[in-house]
Parts: sequence; C-alpha cells; structure tokens
Amino acid sequence: QVQLQESGPRLVKPSQTLSLTCSVSGGSIRSHGYYWTWIRQLPGKGLEWIGYIYYNGSTSYTPSLKSRVSISVDTSKNQFSLNLTSVTAADTAVYYCARDTRLSAYQYFFDSWGQGTLVTVSS
Amino acid sequence: EIVLTQSPGTLSLSPGERATLSCRASQSVSSNFLAWYQQKPGQAPRLLIYAASGRATGIPDRFRGSGSGTDFTLTISRLEPEDFAVYYCQQYGASFVTFGGGTKVEIK
Repeated sequence: QVQLQESGPRLVKPSQTLSLTCSVSGGSIRSHGYYWTWIRQLPGKGLEWIGYIYYNGSTSYTPSLKSRVSISVDTSKNQFSLNLTSVTAADTAVYYCARDTRLSAYQYFFDSWGQGTLVTVSS
Repeated sequence: EIVLTQSPGTLSLSPGERATLSCRASQSVSSNFLAWYQQKPGQAPRLLIYAASGRATGIPDRFRGSGSGTDFTLTISRLEPEDFAVYYCQQYGASFVTFGGGTKVEIK
C-alpha cells in the first residue's frame, strides 16, 4: 500500500517561497496512471486543489495560483515537490500531498493522502 | 471552472438516522469524474465514492452515491457514531480539479 509523507519548513516569512517535499513509499512514482498532487486546506475551510505532476514531468495547476506555483518530481528519490513563491498570510494552510489515480475511464480518484503539514506564513 | 455547491452546510442528525447530502455542479459533470470524501478532524480526507456511485475499498454499504449531470447525492442509510464528519464532493474538469465546500454531519 502506497504511503505519502510531507516534509519541509512549517514557518515561512511573507514574500518568501514555501517549499515542501512529498516522499512516496510502497510504490513507484513512475507507475503509469498516477498523478502526484498537492492539495491545501485553509484553516477551517474546504479543500483546494493546487496541481499535479506526472512522472514524465507533465504538470497542471489551478489558475488562481498558476503564476506562483511549480511542482517538480525526482524519480530517483521517489519524491515530488511543491514551490509556492511570494507567500502571504493567506497561504497559511495544511498542505497535503496525494496520489491522483486515473487507471481507467471509471477510476478517477484521490486514493492515498499524506497526513498533511500545517505551514504558517508569518514574520 | 466548474463550481460544486454542497448543501446543506451542516446536517444535525442522530445515530441511526439517514443522511442525504447534495452536491450541485455549475455545469454538467461526467459521472465518471465525481467522487466523495470523508474528513475527520485532524485527518486527511478519505475516499468514499468514485465514479458517482462506486464504493471505494473497505467502505461500508451504508454509503451510497448517486446522481448524474449537475446533481449528485451521497446517502448514508443509518448513521454510525464514526460517520460524523465533513464530506466533500470533487470533480475532474477538462483541465483541473475542484472540490465542493463540504457538508458537516454533526450529532444532534
């Protein structure tokens, strides 16, 4: 069973870059049909999809963050990473990495999630 | 962008009662691309339903998903104590993913 674990600084200063890494175990990040995703949850709010990366480097981002976000993959380490630039207090949230499974026309879902990490933007 | 609106925002029910949660899309969504998740405090969301009506592995049959087009429903036939949580619907659009705002099912 695949497991995901987020890591990175929990406190980031305004205007700086938020950087998180997700380590994947129990499965290969190079497996076909899986899109490696970042999702965040603002305090007391719902879920916001940030974007994904496929093992070949193909990416997609939510329009509202597209100018500030990048997701990269390191297949040799079985990890993928999130960079969010020019952060403000509004980016304070729990950040989840997740596996987006798309194995067939009837199998589209997020079936594995990291535990989430709270990142606070504050000086 | 497809907007998902969930209602009600909060549902106050007693154990053993039936819960009916609604998810309405701003435009038609393929049933194949509509999923439901359960989230408990301090935990990551858990997949319940995919393709509008398929139960994920290990999900009890008291959870049932239905609907098509712009209207989808998650029904919990008889609430167990562990079912009190927040539920989110989610869809895959042409380019990106959106989630509904969530419905909290609380103990009455």
